[in-house]
Amino acid sequence: DSGVTQTPKHLITATGQRVTLRCSPRSGDLSVYWYQQSLDQGLQFLIQYYNGEERAKGNILERFSAQQFPDLHSELNLSSLELGDSALYFCASSEAGRETQYFGPGTRLLVL
Amino acid sequence: AQKITQTQPGMFVQEKEAVTLDCTYDTSDPSYGLFWYKQPSSGEMIFLIYQGSYDQQNATEGRYSLNFQKARKSANLVISASQLGDSAMYFCAMREGRGSGYSTLTFGKGTMLLVSP
Repeated sequence: DSGVTQTPKHLITATGQRVTLRCSPRSGDLSVYWYQQSLDQGLQFLIQYYNGEERAKGNILERFSAQQFPDLHSELNLSSLELGDSALYFCASSEAGRETQYFGPGTRLLVL
Repeated sequence: AQKITQTQPGMFVQEKEAVTLDCTYDTSDPSYGLFWYKQPSSGEMIFLIYQGSYDQQNATEGRYSLNFQKARKSANLVISASQLGDSAMYFCAMREGRGSGYSTLTFGKGTMLLVSP
């Protein structure tokens, strides 16, 4: 158990819908990262937050957005969902000044 | 060009034998970090080992060691005394530049390791 929690574990929704994925980092970790893992694209970095502020952006679609709250939990919002958004979405966290990212169990999203 | 290349889509090894999973990387940044993660069939990503570009010695964590050859830009994972529970997908990843606080990772495509009794 990495100490990073993600909810829900599984999500099934329809095209055009909007969903919110939630992540709680390890206690004391200030950085939160979101990654998407799909069969065709592999593991891709989406976005990073550090202590509430956006720090880095990767291959995140405009239909996706994220935020980190004062209690350091983070949410990833996916809207106007398409079939191709079906993937495993990971949240990871790291301690300030440390390299290693610890991953949550992931949220498996299926868009029908 | 791919930043992380894992050339072995799959590897087989017998229990108790050692196995090396290959990883080469491409960066012009003098400061970078290399990671290995394990993803079992259950799906979670488990951190195994880290090597910084300025580290003089190869990293080791229990049965895992990282064979870091900077000039060749390779960071191979060596698993000694394989166990059945080592069967999983293994990912090599790299963090470039800016140091901690900007630690976004680029992942390779992974190597599937199967350990047989």
